[in-house]
Amino acid sequence: GENVEQHPSTLSVQEGDSAVIKCTYSDSASNYFPWYKQELGKRPQLIIDIRSNVGEKKDQRIAVTLNKTAKHFSLHITETQPEDSAVYFCAASRLNPSNTGNQFYFGTGTSLTVIP
Amino acid sequence: KAGVTQTPRYLIKTRGQQVTLSCSPISGHRSVSWYQQTPGQGLQFLFEYFSETQRNKGNFPGRFSGRQFSNSRSEMNVSTLELGDSALYLCASGEGRYEQYFGPGTRLTVT
Repeated sequence: GENVEQHPSTLSVQEGDSAVIKCTYSDSASNYFPWYKQELGKRPQLIIDIRSNVGEKKDQRIAVTLNKTAKHFSLHITETQPEDSAVYFCAASRLNPSNTGNQFYFGTGTSLTVIP
Repeated sequence: KAGVTQTPRYLIKTRGQQVTLSCSPISGHRSVSWYQQTPGQGLQFLFEYFSETQRNKGNFPGRFSGRQFSNSRSEMNVSTLELGDSALYLCASGEGRYEQYFGPGTRLTVT
């Protein structure tokens, strides 16, 4: 099965600096890569995702890059703010075209702290 | 649209008991997935249901089972509870292709 590794497990940055979280995956057939943000005591929220036919996607201060050859993808947060502090999870999924079902494999999470 | 809802939100059980958790997906979503979240193991996939059929299953013992009804609501059952089953159980709904959205979770404590 798929194996997703996420690094670092903890990350502290000064407000205004950038943060980068990296994930690698093992199954070359994986074709969908979402990122979730989970604040303390709350549900994971989808913040950005990328499909395998795209190399980069941006949404305001958040961007995700995908390198299919190296099988890794990264989350980039620019101009970090205290409210960005949370646990971030990456995931990889392979959409099976024959049955429309898919299984998500999650990384172990990165606890991001933005220091004011 | 209303978001994914889960009931109950908190549950305390003793070892050996069984428990049933419920998940109501976003209207129109036919896929419901269940996850176990623990501090040490992160988010572990349990199973996915799509149109009342289990499409995928993770590496959990047979004590963990689920089902999905015709209205896409899903239930998860854990029999013969063990202390190690204490966790946050999250369900997520989607259209079965890409994005999935999580519910608030059920916090299960086994004593």
